[in-house]
Amino acid sequence: DGGITQSPKYLFRKEGQNVTLSCEQNLNHDAMYWYRQDPGQGLRLIYYSQIVNDFQKGDIAEGYSVSREKKESFPLTVTSAQKNPTAFYLCASSISSVAYEQYFGPGTRLTVT
Amino acid sequence: DAKTTQPNSMESNEEEPVHLPCNHSTISGTDYIHWYRQLPSQGPEYVIHGLTSNVNNRMASLAIAEDRKSSTLILHRATLRDAAVYYCILRSVEYGNKLVFGAGTILRVKS
Repeated sequence: DGGITQSPKYLFRKEGQNVTLSCEQNLNHDAMYWYRQDPGQGLRLIYYSQIVNDFQKGDIAEGYSVSREKKESFPLTVTSAQKNPTAFYLCASSISSVAYEQYFGPGTRLTVT
Repeated sequence: DAKTTQPNSMESNEEEPVHLPCNHSTISGTDYIHWYRQLPSQGPEYVIHGLTSNVNNRMASLAIAEDRKSSTLILHRATLRDAAVYYCILRSVEYGNKLVFGAGTILRVKS
């Protein structure tokens, strides 16, 4: 089955620790995205990548980092510099950055205490 | 970035049509209107999109006003599985074709 995988579904960390969220897609899509969602709110774009070895900051990139070394993988690291890291994190992909449809993964709920 | 305005919530009866409104008075000529929906604790899924003409697909219909300042997502027969948050989004070429999500409309479906 083609799709986007995010793991784990739930993640718990202590404050001050960096944590990396996994996102893998087997759709052969060029573009990938990371969003953050807080309770009762819409999604906000953290980072996006239009092609391998390239990525751009979204609206709320501070305290986050990404890499895109392989087409199918786009991991997100939440660093200790992120002031409010507890949130629902969603990864998405699309055929290209101008494609009309983004496909979303199931999300990772990160709790930092 | 282009903005949309949607009601916070709406309620519908099962098996009846649902019309979800969206205002986008600052839309520019090249902005596409997209609709996504998000079921509880899941990622959003694409519903439909359009530019100027009304659009139909297997999930829904999109009616776009002639002046493009508003649009309506139509679910022809609501089911309990349609209960979700529906997002109306303007996709702007000037904003790098990125999707900008608002708070959306919570649709509740009663049996």
